Amino acid sequence: QLQLQESGPGLVKPSETLSLTCTVSGGSISSSSYYWGWIRQPPGKGLEWIGSIYYSGSTYYNPSLKSRVTISVDTSKNQFSLKLSSVTAADTAVYYCARLIGAGTIRIWGQGTMVTVSS
Amino acid sequence: QSVLTQPPSVSAAPGQKVTISCSGSSSNIGNNYVSWYQQLPGTAPKLLIYENNKRPSGIPDRFSGSKSGTSATLGITGLQTGDEADYYCGTWDSSLSAESVVFGGGTKLTVL
Repeated sequence: QLQLQESGPGLVKPSETLSLTCTVSGGSISSSSYYWGWIRQPPGKGLEWIGSIYYSGSTYYNPSLKSRVTISVDTSKNQFSLKLSSVTAADTAVYYCARLIGAGTIRIWGQGTMVTVSS
Repeated sequence: QSVLTQPPSVSAAPGQKVTISCSGSSSNIGNNYVSWYQQLPGTAPKLLIYENNKRPSGIPDRFSGSKSGTSATLGITGLQTGDEADYYCGTWDSSLSAESVVFGGGTKLTVL
């Protein structure tokens, strides 16, 4: 059974870069036809898609975050990563990694990790 | 402001039926599949419905989905207290300027 686990710092200073890793277990990240992505949820608010990466390496980013986001895959470690630069308090949220079926359906979610942006 | 529009809240009694609407446009719902997600308090969202009306294995047939034009609807019958959760619709948006996954603002279901 495929499982996803987010990891990374829970506290990031304003203007710095938020870095998170998602470790995939129970399956290969190189499996064809899947997208891997990141979604976030500010406290008490709704879901916001950050971006996705196809198994081939093609990336798709939320237009509102595109200038600050990089998603990459490390097939040797069965992981994919998120980097969000120049963070502000508005980036404080629970960050979920996920596997998508097709471009728009989030099939499997990680448990989420809370990231707070504060000095 | 979410791209997809959902009612903030709905409520019904145990055993009853409830529907949750999701309204969009031709660049999203009108030309793409709709998914629905359930988020129980303090947990990650879970896929309930995909490709408008399909249920992943393990999702009871009390949950159903439909789509017509630029709107979609989630139906839940035989309401249980355990169904109290936030529900989100989502789809792909392929406008001229950009492509992205978009969500509704979420609907809080209260089972009275």
